[in-house]
Amino acid sequence: AQSVTQLDSQVPVFEEAPVELRCNYSSSVSVYLFWYVQYPNQGLQLLLKYLSGSTLVESINGFEAEFNKSQTSFHLRKPSVHISDTAEYFCAVSFSLYNFNKFYFGSGTKLNVKP
Amino acid sequence: ETGVTQTPRHLVMGMTNKKSLKCEQHLGHNAMYWYKQSAKKPLELMFVYSLEERVENNSVPSRFSPECPNSSHLFLHLHTLQPEDSALYLCASSQDILGGSSYNSPLHFGNGTRLTVT
Repeated sequence: AQSVTQLDSQVPVFEEAPVELRCNYSSSVSVYLFWYVQYPNQGLQLLLKYLSGSTLVESINGFEAEFNKSQTSFHLRKPSVHISDTAEYFCAVSFSLYNFNKFYFGSGTKLNVKP
Repeated sequence: ETGVTQTPRHLVMGMTNKKSLKCEQHLGHNAMYWYKQSAKKPLELMFVYSLEERVENNSVPSRFSPECPNSSHLFLHLHTLQPEDSALYLCASSQDILGGSSYNSPLHFGNGTRLTVT
């Protein structure tokens, strides 16, 4: 069985401070890993993904995540956050069934960036 | 227009009403999904259509009825809903099949329909 755990439901942080949002997963098969961001009154937007290759992946807006297979983690980091990063962040894993991709989502972490 | 479009954005309905949610994707994807997002709960997968065939039905009550007339459109027909069905309903699409084989790709979400059942 597959599952995704985001231990922190809320993370308050001051502007320009670093942040880490934690994600751990459990899976009996090889999975692909994703981070999504959801702004108020919007759907989920893909932030970054790990499919293969380098274990460190980056987004265009300064976020990065590192796939750690031994610790089954995919933590999201940003060295300096902005007010505009305030949103809810979801970690997800997926694997391919024969005719579609099965996704499992964490319960989300609300990032609140304060001035 | 690009991406995944959902209409209406907001819907208020009584328990005896019948309504439909619409989703349209302009990405050329071959799989479409319905998710339910409730407060303080993880996203719940409801239905999956791959190549216009329903391939997943996640123990969803029969008062929710999906329809996928073609690979670009997905509907969720609603009837005799309960107040606990109030939630954000998200549609997503992805390219799950490529060249006849499974292919891993991210989900692309619409902005959702905020449903309130009174």
